[in-house]
Amino acid sequence: GQQLNQSPQSMFIQEGEDVSMNCTSSSIFNTWLWYKQDPGEGPVLLIALYKAGELTSNGRLTAQFGITRKDSFLNISASIPSDVGIYFCAGQLGSNYQLIWGAGTKLIIKP
Amino acid sequence: DGGITQSPKYLFRKEGQNVTLSCEQNLNHDAMYWYRQDPGQGLRLIYYSQIVNDFQKGDIAEGYSVSREKKESFPLTVTSAQKNPTAFYLCASSIDGPTGEKLFFGSGTQLSVL
Repeated sequence: GQQLNQSPQSMFIQEGEDVSMNCTSSSIFNTWLWYKQDPGEGPVLLIALYKAGELTSNGRLTAQFGITRKDSFLNISASIPSDVGIYFCAGQLGSNYQLIWGAGTKLIIKP
Repeated sequence: DGGITQSPKYLFRKEGQNVTLSCEQNLNHDAMYWYRQDPGQGLRLIYYSQIVNDFQKGDIAEGYSVSREKKESFPLTVTSAQKNPTAFYLCASSIDGPTGEKLFFGSGTQLSVL
């Protein structure tokens, strides 16, 4: 089936650092979403994007819908310990299509 | 508090056994979903339901079955035909079904094979 390429696969960060991750596809999407999953829990929606070029913030998180509609980016500023977890991107080709998920980016805080 | 409840949290299956995972929601959402999560992979859709007594296969429905007799409940049965059932199973619901993008997830059930 369809795949989203999410990178990096994992990130080792120090508290206070900024973080960037992205998702790319060969297909054009009309919706991009970013979810976060804590260990042993279900994902929680962070940000939803609906227009090419759209830039949306949620606290220290900022996500962008790529101009080509084939990619999306998530940035986290000034990371804190509770930011650890797995971040998933998900895209929707159209309103009649199910979500397509990236493989996730695992965020780990360096001791 | 409204939400989605999955049970049990951990489940063990013996060879040849069918097991059923429970999913209940009190969000009054029409659409419900079952996803499978394997380490290092994205979520894969097993089944989804837009309305009571109706459900559709997702990308990996083989070896699984579901029912939707009540709006609040969407149980998933992992049958003996599913040869590699070990995974984390996530139930979700959406008010914008059946292809709603804003999914609310339960806390998951980890299924392992004995």
